[in-house]
Amino acid sequence: DQQVKQNSPSLSVQEGRISILNCDYTNSMFDYFLWYKKYPAEGPTFLISISSIKDKNEDGRFTVFLNKSAKHLSLHIVPSQPGDSAVYFCAARRGGSEKLVFGKGTKLTVNP
Amino acid sequence: NAGVTQTPKFRVLKTGQSMTLLCAQDMNHEYMYWYRQDPGMGLRLIHYSVGEGTTAKGEVPDGYNVSRLKKQNFLLGLESAAPSQTSVYFCASSSQGGQPQHFGDGTRLSIL
Repeated sequence: DQQVKQNSPSLSVQEGRISILNCDYTNSMFDYFLWYKKYPAEGPTFLISISSIKDKNEDGRFTVFLNKSAKHLSLHIVPSQPGDSAVYFCAARRGGSEKLVFGKGTKLTVNP
Repeated sequence: NAGVTQTPKFRVLKTGQSMTLLCAQDMNHEYMYWYRQDPGMGLRLIHYSVGEGTTAKGEVPDGYNVSRLKKQNFLLGLESAAPSQTSVYFCASSSQGGQPQHFGDGTRLSIL
């Protein structure tokens, strides 16, 4: 049973526009959420995170929104750049756990 | 500052052979993790360690063994490789459990 779901395997946007990547979760015990970015032939790199006590966290062009009642979070990239083309993984942590649970990833392509 | 280093980067094995994947981190992190990434499956946790001398099972531990004899190293062993273990293996580390993890660039393993 997948606890962290990224239902869109891929997303294509134009350079300069907004990219919105979505993630749903089923476990109400999750209290911390993360986004990772992965380029081909490299390991995932941490991008941004949000605690369940917040509903928004911003870091430059990247903003993560959390809707706890809907068990949904999203990553907004504004403006999108071709260098943002990568696979984005959503991850979550249950309170007190040492482990992260990852979604299957969404491949973002930003077209020049 | 190398971060997390995985050795080897590529390997081809025959069914039934054994091998050990090495992960080394130079950040003095307590927590270390082994994941596998398969197409359409995201990152799945194999085993992890919360400190030197400790190991614990993750989501998909069968067919693998691990050891953490030194704080900076986490070894993943395949005793008798099977084609189903063909995958890309990622090692990660973090200073605290459930916090952003730093990943290596992966080991691509093919078992024929």
